[in-house]
Formats: sequence, C-alpha cells, structure tokens
Amino acid sequence: QKEVEQNSGPLSVPEGAIASLNCTYSDRGSQSFFWYRQYSGKSPELIMSIYSNGDKEDGRFTAQLNKASQYVSLLIRDSQPSDSATYLCAVNKGGTGGFKTIFGAGTRLFVKA
Amino acid sequence: EAGVAQSPRYKIIEKRQSVAFWCNPISGHATLYWYQQILGQGPKLLIQFQNNGVVDDSQLPKDRFSAERLKGVDSTLKIQPAKLEDSAVYLCASSSGQQDEQYFGPGTRLTVT
Repeated sequence: QKEVEQNSGPLSVPEGAIASLNCTYSDRGSQSFFWYRQYSGKSPELIMSIYSNGDKEDGRFTAQLNKASQYVSLLIRDSQPSDSATYLCAVNKGGTGGFKTIFGAGTRLFVKA
Repeated sequence: EAGVAQSPRYKIIEKRQSVAFWCNPISGHATLYWYQQILGQGPKLLIQFQNNGVVDDSQLPKDRFSAERLKGVDSTLKIQPAKLEDSAVYLCASSSGQQDEQYFGPGTRLTVT
C-alpha cells in the first residue's frame, strides 16, 4: 500500500462544474495536509493546507479532511480551463528525525471549455 | 519577497559524468528539501535539512548523491557518477518549519545520455 494514494486520472469535467479530487493516506499519525497544483513543465505551487478535521475554504477551493477515515479531498467549484493541471496531495508525518512530507503521484484534471 | 532560486534550469550530461545543482531558499526558511520528480510521478524526497543539519536522507542514493547546506542557507546537490535513470527534474523547496507549507523553486531538468 502506498503511503499517499490518488487516482491518476485523467478526471475530465465541463467548465463551470465542480471537480472533486481525493486522496487517502496510510499513517494515522499524519498531522498536516497540503494540496499543490502542477502545470505541465512547471514546479508545484501550493493551493491549500489543512491541519484539522472539517472543511477549509479559499475562494473556489475547499479542502476537506477526515482523519478517522484517513481521507483528504479538494473541491474546485466553477472549474475553469485554466484549472487543467495535475493536483498533488501531500501528507506530513512525524518520524524519528523530525517531520517528513510524502507526495502522492497526482491526479490529472482536464476542464473542458 | 523573492522565491526559491535554483540553477541551472537545464542540464544535459553523459552517463558517468558528474553534475551539481544549487538552491537558494526563501529568506528565513529553516527547512530545505531536495526532491526528484520523474515524469508522471509525484516528487520523491531525497534529503531534508533543518538549518544545516540533515533531518531525513533515507531515500538519497548515497553511493552517488551528496548534498550539503553550509551555513544553513544555500544548498548544493551533487550526482557523481550519473546514471541514465537519474534523468528527472530536481526540485528544491523551502518552508518556515518542518510542518509548514513548502514553496518550490523552478526546478532543474536533468537529462543523462
């Protein structure tokens, strides 16, 4: 089992729809969670961070965390063609030497105009 | 505020040659990361520094890869000798602390022929 799992996609949604991206993680001790967006040929850029159970909203983006189910998701409302990218889920967990971030393989999102 | 700087942006070398990458993190960021990203995969942590100490280097191929962060600011990652499978994008990121959001540099695309 991978430490952080995401569906590779591609996830295709029409413009204006809600895109739902999901991520599961294996370590119950994980404490902080991040979503990054990566355009082709570019480096990852931070979209949102979430640290406690529940929802966190920022503009068109909502992150949802459920630690009991070891599940974190990202909703993108009113999807735009410019949202077409790979979305990376990252999970931060403690270890013997300190905290370490594990990235999922990413989900490719395609928003059709 | 200046972002994470990396150089060079692109490098092509032959197998068995050596190469070095440089990273300058965001001012004041104590934690610095080097990731390897192979096409279609998420970033894989190679080494993580907290100031000038190593927090995690469990996935660094130490027979050929080395990294240092002198004075707790800039960092260099070296590969010697390079193999074909080292062809990837090498990403540097920094964060205020080990549980905080990471900010990525533009990356160095390495091609080993």
